[in-house]
Amino acid sequence: QKEVEQNSGPLSVPEGAIASLNCTYSDRGSQSFFWYRQYSGKSPELIMSIYSNGDKEDGRFTAQLNKASQYVSLLIRDSQPSDSATYLCAALIQGAQKLVFGQGTRLTINP
Amino acid sequence: DVKVTQSSRYLVKRTGEKVFLECVQDMDHENMFWYRQDPGLGLRLIYFSYDVKMKEKGDIPEGYSVSREKKERFSLILESASTNQTSMYLCASSSAGTRNGYTFGSGTRLTVV
Repeated sequence: QKEVEQNSGPLSVPEGAIASLNCTYSDRGSQSFFWYRQYSGKSPELIMSIYSNGDKEDGRFTAQLNKASQYVSLLIRDSQPSDSATYLCAALIQGAQKLVFGQGTRLTINP
Repeated sequence: DVKVTQSSRYLVKRTGEKVFLECVQDMDHENMFWYRQDPGLGLRLIYFSYDVKMKEKGDIPEGYSVSREKKERFSLILESASTNQTSMYLCASSSAGTRNGYTFGSGTRLTVV
């Protein structure tokens, strides 16, 4: 069973600080990874994808991938109350066309 | 510009009813998926389809069936609704290979009474 593990939280971060969200995956063959943001009562929205080892930056968001350690992370700089949501990590299963999702980490940004 | 459309945002159905959840995408995606999401259980894959008239069971197909007669439309059918099928249902689509991830619909909150 291919798995993606996340700390369910809740993770509480003060406004303006860096929020760090972490994820590990079991399928060593996975090559593509995604971070989704899901507001309460809404559907998941793709915010970052990463395919290569290292960092990928998009505005206040940075995704990090370490394939040797099977570890993916998402950093949110200058956290805003509007960043309060559940963040889902997903990995593309090798040889398939479907994603495996973690349980999600609930993030709260405190003003 | 809505790209994955689920026909209903909220539905209330009675136990034993046959329920149809419709999903339409306008991105010419090959792959379509149905998930349900419950608190503490995360996203669970019900069925998926990589092509027209093709379907594959996901992790929890019992009590459900699907239909994909056209590339853009993927329907989820609850043959005889039960209270344990009360959930948020999410449709998603992706291009071949899923290299760019999924695009989700807005979801259908189904309550079976």
